[in-house]
Amino acid sequence: AQKITQTQPGMFVQEKEAVTLDCTYDTSDPSYGLFWYKQPSSGEMIFLIYQGSYDQQNATEGRYSLNFQKARKSANLVISASQLGDSAMYFCAMREPYSNSGYALNFGKGTSLLVTP
Amino acid sequence: DTAVSQTPKYLVTQMGNDKSIKCEQNLGHDTMYWYKQDSKKFLKIMFSYNNKELIINETVPNRFSPKSPDKAHLNLHINSLELGDSAVYFCASSLTGTSGRWETQYFGPGTRLLVL
Repeated sequence: AQKITQTQPGMFVQEKEAVTLDCTYDTSDPSYGLFWYKQPSSGEMIFLIYQGSYDQQNATEGRYSLNFQKARKSANLVISASQLGDSAMYFCAMREPYSNSGYALNFGKGTSLLVTP
Repeated sequence: DTAVSQTPKYLVTQMGNDKSIKCEQNLGHDTMYWYKQDSKKFLKIMFSYNNKELIINETVPNRFSPKSPDKAHLNLHINSLELGDSAVYFCASSLTGTSGRWETQYFGPGTRLLVL
């Protein structure tokens, strides 16, 4: 079974600084997809960024970028120019087969990010 | 203009009761999911339907029964509620048959269930 590891339960960053949230994964499939979601205190799950295993370049979406190191099986999320509104839980997830025809997301335990003024 | 909606947002009920949570998506997706988020924020897949067909059924008690009347709707009925069922239940949807980013799952706002 695939596994997602987020080793940082909590992180602090000062406003306007950059922060890296770690994610490592374990899979034997050559084709896979990695996702990051944000869960603010209001509770909704917000999709941030996607990285495919065959993508030649690291994914970027505005202030979010992925530091994808395939050989090390890591897909760290980088948030540049942190804002107070970035304070939230961040989840790394991998798309995993759960049946012959069904895929679902396997989530890490999450990292709680607090942005301070 | 809500993409994935769930009702109710909050559900407080007594042990032993039966309750339902409804989910609807207007994204034109063909696959829908139920995830459970426990008190430690851990998210785990429960069920998935593709075009009204159950394709994922994880180790979930029989008291939980999903129903998909059409590919835009997925409901979750829970019988004989127990204290341990207290959690946040998320509905999500995606478009399958594609690959990569296009299989991104979009989540509803969640239903916070508290069993007393």
